[in-house]
Amino acid sequence: EAAVTQSPRNKVTVTGGNVTLSCRQTNSHNYMYWYRQDTGHGLRLIHYSYGAGNLQIGDVPDGYKATRTTQEDFFLLLELASPSQTSLYFCASSGQPNYAEQFFGPGTRLTVL
Amino acid sequence: GDSVTQTEGQVTVSESKSLIINCTYSTTSIAYPNLFWYVRYPGEGLQLLLKVITAGQKGSSRGFEATYNKETTSFHLQKASVQESDSAVYYCALGDLGYQNFYFGKGTSLTVIP
Repeated sequence: EAAVTQSPRNKVTVTGGNVTLSCRQTNSHNYMYWYRQDTGHGLRLIHYSYGAGNLQIGDVPDGYKATRTTQEDFFLLLELASPSQTSLYFCASSGQPNYAEQFFGPGTRLTVL
Repeated sequence: GDSVTQTEGQVTVSESKSLIINCTYSTTSIAYPNLFWYVRYPGEGLQLLLKVITAGQKGSSRGFEATYNKETTSFHLQKASVQESDSAVYYCALGDLGYQNFYFGKGTSLTVIP
């Protein structure tokens, strides 16, 4: 049973559109993360959270909002999508005993036309 | 600062040949770095391939191995004989056991030619 799931797996929207990416983890982890993956850049951290109601800013937060509604659920919101946000998005979780080991979802491919 | 460097963006190897993917790290804030190799197969998320949390130790999995070398700040990934099914993107990563400092390399795309 997959411990980190993401939906949708693929999404196409237009410039200025509103997009919500969803992530759920069943690892009972405290930490959850949103990354974007672009060729030549590796994974870049957008936002992360250490618990319900908490949000921390990552390295590339501009144009993104996020919300952690429960320990299990973490959402990434693009309120005015732009073509520069076309990317592959990964969600991950981590927790005890080793916070440094992250568990990833399968990814969401977003295309902004 | 803290960072991970993978010098090869793409590597092509013939099946049954040996492989080395280079990874070096730099850290000024992590007292006890943990080092990881993750792999991403086409259409899937990243999976942990191996990890080493103690300097001088070697990790191994699925025929891959990597040694945590504190002196050279390196964590190169090696395999003696690759298979076509090893074609994937490999990411080196640096983390901290108890904190949220975590850094990925840019990834190395491996193509194994039959």
